[in-house]
Amino acid sequence: DTGVSQDPRHKITKRGQNVTFRCDPISEHNRLYWYRQTLGQGPEFLTYFQNEAQLEKSRLLSDRFSAERPKGSFSTLEIQRTEQGDSAMYLCASSHRTENTEAFFGQGTRLTVV
Amino acid sequence: AQSVTQPDIHITVSEGASLELRCNYSYGATPYLFWYVQSPGQGLQLLLKYFSGDTLVQGIKGFEAEFKRSQSSFNLRKPSVHWSDAAEYFCAVGAESSASKIIFGSGTRLSIRP
Repeated sequence: DTGVSQDPRHKITKRGQNVTFRCDPISEHNRLYWYRQTLGQGPEFLTYFQNEAQLEKSRLLSDRFSAERPKGSFSTLEIQRTEQGDSAMYLCASSHRTENTEAFFGQGTRLTVV
Repeated sequence: AQSVTQPDIHITVSEGASLELRCNYSYGATPYLFWYVQSPGQGLQLLLKYFSGDTLVQGIKGFEAEFKRSQSSFNLRKPSVHWSDAAEYFCAVGAESSASKIIFGSGTRLSIRP
């Protein structure tokens, strides 16, 4: 197992375009998290899935953002009509189903909106 | 709600010197506590974690941290830093008794003086 994988690693897009990121968690992990990290800040929680169910969404996740995990394996995060303020590192993490296990993070997708 | 404070934005230490990075948390019950390290443009690597038991925890790369409930602190220490330790360090607390939904501090950037 190679850990949490995110694709692409970098994305540059023009303002107003839609972008989609993919996250492949560690195979036996049923929980998957998305975080956003802006420059000079710690990561902020966006949303999380247990299997295919999206159990929580942060108020940071505006209606331009949507996340899916259709088969309880990989997840996608889509941003519609991107804005310059969406420029950030988007981090995915996964964990095992028991409560007291830590999350393992991917390398992140760096989004730049120009 | 849980929160984490890292009072030092940037610290510079000489190579070979000792290091202590400060972290204070706010949480009503026994928290799950973490230190992560992030190199530029990279994801997060877990250095160490505290869930229960011995309040002095050992981590990777020679780091340790001590949980002090009375001070709501979880400071990170290393007896002798190496140039490769230069990075951003994040303290974090498990939200709502979950180890994997995490609230991060804003980070401390560590620079090493040759």
